Amino acid sequence: GAVVSQHPSRVICKSGTSVKIECRSLDFQATTMFWYRQFPKKSLMLMATSNEGSKATYEQGVEKDKFLINHASLTLSTLTVTSAHPEDSSFYICSARAGALGEKLFFGSGTQLSVL
Amino acid sequence: SQELEQSPQSLIVQEGKNLTINCTSSKTLYGLYWYKQKYGEGLIFLMMLQKGGEEKSHEKITAKLDEKKQQSSLHITASQPSHAGIYLCGADKGLGGSNYKLTFGKGTLLTVNP
Repeated sequence: GAVVSQHPSRVICKSGTSVKIECRSLDFQATTMFWYRQFPKKSLMLMATSNEGSKATYEQGVEKDKFLINHASLTLSTLTVTSAHPEDSSFYICSARAGALGEKLFFGSGTQLSVL
Repeated sequence: SQELEQSPQSLIVQEGKNLTINCTSSKTLYGLYWYKQKYGEGLIFLMMLQKGGEEKSHEKITAKLDEKKQQSSLHITASQPSHAGIYLCGADKGLGGSNYKLTFGKGTLLTVNP
């Protein structure tokens, strides 16, 4: 089946620094990818839609300058958490649609971000 | 906005027992996805349902979508410890067609005791 790879799986950073998370579709092209975040024992919340070759669209309440998304190729989307603060600590996970496999949406393995 | 209610929130069963997890929507579902998640890990795709009355099975897991497309159930037959995890239902937020943006329920934590 389709595989979505996410890197890194865990990252610890100091407050004020920026962190980049990568999401790759390994065996299919994804013109659209999605970024979610998940707090402990909470459900996943959609943050933004990453569109290849164009600007990302953000859900209400998500700061686009805080969470920079770049989708430079058909297999890679990146999420950069800028000037991270402890409240940004969360589990971030991406998803991508494998069009050739119908309506399936595949998720990456997630990135646990801890901001000290 | 679309709300998804999952029940039960947690479930503990003995190995070999059958179980059912429910997912109820406040609005008509266009597409309903079931995933399994281990805490702190990614989501494993289980099944996607789209048509009213649709039923799909994979190994010992069966998912159904009711005719009104507002409720889905996930049934596991003869549960095994490997079935343990968090089961999430996700609904496509598209109103007339799929946009692949999902709203998720809060999940059901399944524990299977050997």
